[in-house]
Amino acid sequence: DSGVTQTPKHLITATGQRVTLRCSPRSGDLSVYWYQQSLDQGLQFLIQYYNGEERAKGNILERFSAQQFPDLHSELNLSSLELGDSALYFCASSPSGGITGELFFGEGSRLTVL
Amino acid sequence: GQSLEQPSEVTAVEGAIVQINCTYQTSGFYGLSWYQQHDGGAPTFLSYNGLDGLEETGRFSSFLSRSDSYGYLLLQELQMKDSASYFCAVGNQGGKLIFGQGTELSVKP
Repeated sequence: DSGVTQTPKHLITATGQRVTLRCSPRSGDLSVYWYQQSLDQGLQFLIQYYNGEERAKGNILERFSAQQFPDLHSELNLSSLELGDSALYFCASSPSGGITGELFFGEGSRLTVL
Repeated sequence: GQSLEQPSEVTAVEGAIVQINCTYQTSGFYGLSWYQQHDGGAPTFLSYNGLDGLEETGRFSSFLSRSDSYGYLLLQELQMKDSASYFCAVGNQGGKLIFGQGTELSVKP
């Protein structure tokens, strides 16, 4: 158990819908990351937050948005869902802002868009 | 931009040694990390190289050459449980971590 909690674990929805994925980082970790992993693919970097502020952005679609709240939990919002958005979405946290290269990953939220 | 290259698949036998290479192109390079992932589970951190040279952690070692933009993960005394996907990842000073496409390691008896 990494200490990072993601909910929901599984989500099935239809095209055009909107979902929210939630992440609670490890206690004390200020950095939160979101990654997308499609079937048999690598981990695609979406976005990074540090203490409530956006620090870095990857190839995140405009239909996707995220934020980190004052209590450090984070939410990833996916809207106007398409079939291709079906994937595992991982949240990770880091105590060092990621500069030691060590991230702690949650178990992921598996999104299926039908 | 950033790019990382690692082999897509590697096969080895139990008890053997295997090396997974990673080459990268990135700006603001800060360090190279390695992660292990079993069958869609949570990736887990294995090692980090911020400086050139070899880092050893039990059966796993990792190497970095900044001048060659190259690193590798060395797994010794392979066990069946080592069958998994292995990812290299490059980090920058801001803590952004970009992952490679992963290498699927199959360990045969």
